[in-house]
Amino acid sequence: DAGVTQSPTHLIKTRGQQVTLRCSPKSGHDTVSWYQQALGQGPQFIFQYYEEEERQRGNFPDRFSGHQFPNYSSELNVNALLLGDSALYLCASSLWGQNTEAFFGQGTRLTVV
Amino acid sequence: QKEVEQNSGPLSVPEGAIASLNCTYSDRGSQSFFWYRQYSGKSPELIMSIYSNGDKEDGRFTAQLNKASQYVSLLIRDSQPSDSATYLCAVEIYGGSQGNLIFGKGTKLSVKP
Repeated sequence: DAGVTQSPTHLIKTRGQQVTLRCSPKSGHDTVSWYQQALGQGPQFIFQYYEEEERQRGNFPDRFSGHQFPNYSSELNVNALLLGDSALYLCASSLWGQNTEAFFGQGTRLTVV
Repeated sequence: QKEVEQNSGPLSVPEGAIASLNCTYSDRGSQSFFWYRQYSGKSPELIMSIYSNGDKEDGRFTAQLNKASQYVSLLIRDSQPSDSATYLCAVEIYGGSQGNLIFGKGTKLSVKP
């Protein structure tokens, strides 16, 4: 049973560019949440997708957008990259409406230069 | 602004001792609380979840919740060097799914042989 998979594992981008990160949830899960974790900080909630719609959003600018596909996989897009966007981006999958554990992927390390 | 506060540490304990990790949260309406363990360079891994006041034990781990004081703690008995990691306290932000969490900055635990 595959867990949560994220791609790519590492990425280097230049300021002002755009980036797309991908996440496949754990088998049987239908909800995907995205987090940003800066060095030495806890993960910060970006947004959550269920049924191909953004359900909740944290305090992140509109440069951060996402999408969920019918197979429950998800993408995180960041436009006009800033140096401060350098972080570990984590995807977590869960089951909507159920009090069950959310599982995290291994993350994508984004470096903006 | 919902917040979760943790002592960043580092907390250093000898092997075999009890490690005590503490967390406070700001939203009195919060219902679901979690402790995650994160090894350096890895993704968070759920250790314990707790929803009701009192203690919840799982092996060497005990989570304690006091909603009146808005306080959550994690005790690790018979600490092992392999327990050395950053421990993240998390609180569910919205209902619907466990994927939307607000995290503390984490407490770094070091268990000395």
